[in-house]
Amino acid sequence: AQSVSQHNHHVILSEAASLELGCNYSYGGTVNLFWYVQYPGQHLQLLLKYFSGDPLVKGIKGFEAEFIKSKFSFNLRKPSVQWSDTAEYFCAVTPTSGGSYIPTFGRGTSLIVHP
Amino acid sequence: DTAVSQTPKYLVTQMGNDKSIKCEQNLGHDTMYWYKQDSKKFLKIMFSYNNKELIINETVPNRFSPKSPDKAHLNLHINSLELGDSAVYFCASSQTKNTEAFFGQGTRLTVV
Repeated sequence: AQSVSQHNHHVILSEAASLELGCNYSYGGTVNLFWYVQYPGQHLQLLLKYFSGDPLVKGIKGFEAEFIKSKFSFNLRKPSVQWSDTAEYFCAVTPTSGGSYIPTFGRGTSLIVHP
Repeated sequence: DTAVSQTPKYLVTQMGNDKSIKCEQNLGHDTMYWYKQDSKKFLKIMFSYNNKELIINETVPNRFSPKSPDKAHLNLHINSLELGDSAVYFCASSQTKNTEAFFGQGTRLTVV
């Protein structure tokens, strides 16, 4: 079974600071990778995804992520955060091989951005 | 026009009761899911259906039973509710089994 680890549980930043949230997964086969965002009191929304091709993917609201296969990592970045980025961020993986399609989410990172 | 809609949004009920949560998606997706999010925001998959066939059934008490009358609907019925069932339950859908999920607004279930 796969697992997803998000290293930062709580991150507090000031506006305009740069952001990097770590995500590592373990699985013996190929996976699709996702970052979702959950704003306070709302449902999860997709920020970006990686299926194949260019390992640097760009998502909505200025977010990007880089897939490093050798490190089993898919870290999320944003050069300059805004107060409105305050939210919970979830990394997720879904296998594409091995017959299992169970999506697995990390425990989430709570980001607070001070104005 | 909401893509994934679930009802009710809030559900407060007593221990021992039976309740259902309904979910509908108008995206034409093949796969639907039920997730449970606990008070620490941890998101855990419970069930998944692909074209009305159950494909994921994680370690969930058998008091929880999903029903998919058609591809666009996935309902969750819970028997004999317990205090520990209190959580936010999210329905989601995806185009195929391993693509991105579109989530509903969630149902906050409180068992008293």
